[in-house]
Amino acid sequence: EVQLVESGGGLVKPGGSLRLSCAGSGFTFSNAWMNWVRQAPGKGLEWVGRIKSKPDGGTIEYAAPVKGRFSISREDSKKMVYLQMSSLRTEDTAVYYCATGQFFDYWGQGTLVTVSS
Amino acid sequence: DIVMTQSPDSLAVSLGERATINCKSSQSVLYSSNNKNYLSWYQQKPGQPPKLLIYWASTRESGVPDRFSGSGSGTDFTLTISSLKAEDVAVYYCQQYYSSPYTFGQGTKLEIK
Repeated sequence: EVQLVESGGGLVKPGGSLRLSCAGSGFTFSNAWMNWVRQAPGKGLEWVGRIKSKPDGGTIEYAAPVKGRFSISREDSKKMVYLQMSSLRTEDTAVYYCATGQFFDYWGQGTLVTVSS
Repeated sequence: DIVMTQSPDSLAVSLGERATINCKSSQSVLYSSNNKNYLSWYQQKPGQPPKLLIYWASTRESGVPDRFSGSGSGTDFTLTISSLKAEDVAVYYCQQYYSSPYTFGQGTKLEIK
């Protein structure tokens, strides 16, 4: 059974940093493209970024609102993908999901990030 | 960026009736080299993560009931629920994965009439 479990969310002050983690199991993690998607309270879905598998080049892409502030990395030996977030703003407040694949076939339950003073 | 626009924003349908949600992209998401539309549909129930229903515009994900179907090509797409059940109450999103940023529609809230 495919499982994705996000962790690392919490309350952080504007300008602060946070690292989210996503642990995958039940699939060949090293071959998976991994995405981060966020959802602000009561709002729709917003793609944050993606990291392709190393066999597919390991390319990393970001949405414009987070480019230069957020960084995605992966550790295939641990079946983990990370979202390092810095210079956080109040508008980054959201539930952050990791999701697999080119079309997002599996999703974690999400972790809430609240940016507030 | 490709803008995805869904209509309507909300929809109320009687149990057993058909529900139709439309999605329009600001540019074609049909990749000519493989003739595939890079368009997916998701269902999100309250307090849950989204669930993939349809990919390549019309391919039903494994385990998704056959009352859900996707159609369309190029810039215009439709998600149809042929006979609405109570458990289909949710917000539905389309998404293009043709080019980065991989944008979602604003969502359509489906309720029971």
